[in-house]
Amino acid sequence: RKEVEQDPGPFNVPEGATVAFNCTYSNSASQSFFWYRQDCRKEPKLLMSVYSSGNEDGRFTAQLNRASQYISLLIRDSKLSDSATYLCVVSEDGGFKTIFGAGTRLFVKA
Amino acid sequence: DAGVIQSPRHEVTEMGQEVTLRCKPISGHDYLFWYRQTMMRGLELLIYFNNNVPIDDSGMPEDRFSAKMPNASFSTLKIQPSEPRDSAVYFCASREGTSGRSYNEQFFGPGTRLTVL
Repeated sequence: RKEVEQDPGPFNVPEGATVAFNCTYSNSASQSFFWYRQDCRKEPKLLMSVYSSGNEDGRFTAQLNRASQYISLLIRDSKLSDSATYLCVVSEDGGFKTIFGAGTRLFVKA
Repeated sequence: DAGVIQSPRHEVTEMGQEVTLRCKPISGHDYLFWYRQTMMRGLELLIYFNNNVPIDDSGMPEDRFSAKMPNASFSTLKIQPSEPRDSAVYFCASREGTSGRSYNEQFFGPGTRLTVL
């Protein structure tokens, strides 16, 4: 079993749609959780950290369920510019040893 | 700040040759990470440094790979000898220490695309 698992997609959605991604992790001792975004042939960039109480940043909402060991990302009112690969990231070892999921590809169509 | 700088951006070499990838982290960042990304395996952490000291190199695939950080502003990842299966994009990233405001975020460089023929 992979340490961090994501549905690779692709998810093809129209502009304005709501789309949700899930991610599961295997190590119950994991301490920090993030979503990164990676555009084609570019470097990953932090989208948002994921807190136990859930957190929102504009159209993006992240949730963490420690009991079930999964993380979710919800994107509302999708834009063409949201087209990218979304990477679920889990950190161990005090938050430094980072494990990336394989990523979920999103295509937003006009 | 210019962000994390990596060189070269592209490298094409022949099997058996030595390859050296270079990274300059963001000034003031205490941690530096080397990653490898392939279609098959995704993004994998190879090694990370804290204050120029290697902390965890368990992700380094084999003895052909070595990484150094001689000072706070420079790190190298060396592959000797290189093999076709080493072809990948190699990213360097840096982050602040735990006392920084945005200590959770790793800032990635643009990557080096390595092709070993």
